[in-house]
Amino acid sequence: GAGVSQSPRYKVAKRGQDVALRCDPISGHVSLFWYQQALGQGPEFLTYFQNEAQLDKSGLPSDRFFAERPEGSVSTLKIQRTQQEDSAVYLCASSLGGPQNIQYFGAGTRLSVL
Amino acid sequence: EDKVVQSPLSLVVHEGDTVTLNCSYEVTNFRSLLWYKQEKKAPTFLFMLTSSGIEKKSGRLSSILDKKELFSILNITATQTGDSAVYLCAVGVLSGNTPLVFGKGTRLSVIA
Repeated sequence: GAGVSQSPRYKVAKRGQDVALRCDPISGHVSLFWYQQALGQGPEFLTYFQNEAQLDKSGLPSDRFFAERPEGSVSTLKIQRTQQEDSAVYLCASSLGGPQNIQYFGAGTRLSVL
Repeated sequence: EDKVVQSPLSLVVHEGDTVTLNCSYEVTNFRSLLWYKQEKKAPTFLFMLTSSGIEKKSGRLSSILDKKELFSILNITATQTGDSAVYLCAVGVLSGNTPLVFGKGTRLSVIA
């Protein structure tokens, strides 16, 4: 596709619900990144895939967060048993090579947990 | 711990003004510094800087890196209301799998 596509753009969840956020990277981009951006803050790294391999998940805040990219293209970030502190914008980015290459971002999914 | 600090955190200017946004960093094994513009949508890439003293320019925007003093500036001349956004600075390191480290951003508001 022309750019990184994320869906849904907005998600409202009740506390305790599970949510799944989708990222469709730029076609041919090897690397895919997930970031969490709280209000008034810069994006914070969550996890990184190179093709289908999850090379770094050190930024995932708890074991309720899980990401996958089974075929090396589309990725899903899943949050189980959502809590209010999970409310944030979740940004996905992709790059042609590794993290040292320019990362191109999607518009994000704004998650609100009530 | 790698750190990126941007200043000011917010700025209000009038159309036509020139602004300078600052980004300082403390990272091990610096590789590159990137600037992004974030409106109410995807952060869009502006510049990637790897070498000291070489200015990168795109229209009214320009940026330069000082690797000795560990900072970068982003200049915007003749600001327009469309420049209103959050400007993010991010640093990449040499370790292959290390992600970008972002600052908190500078919120620029340009008023007519």
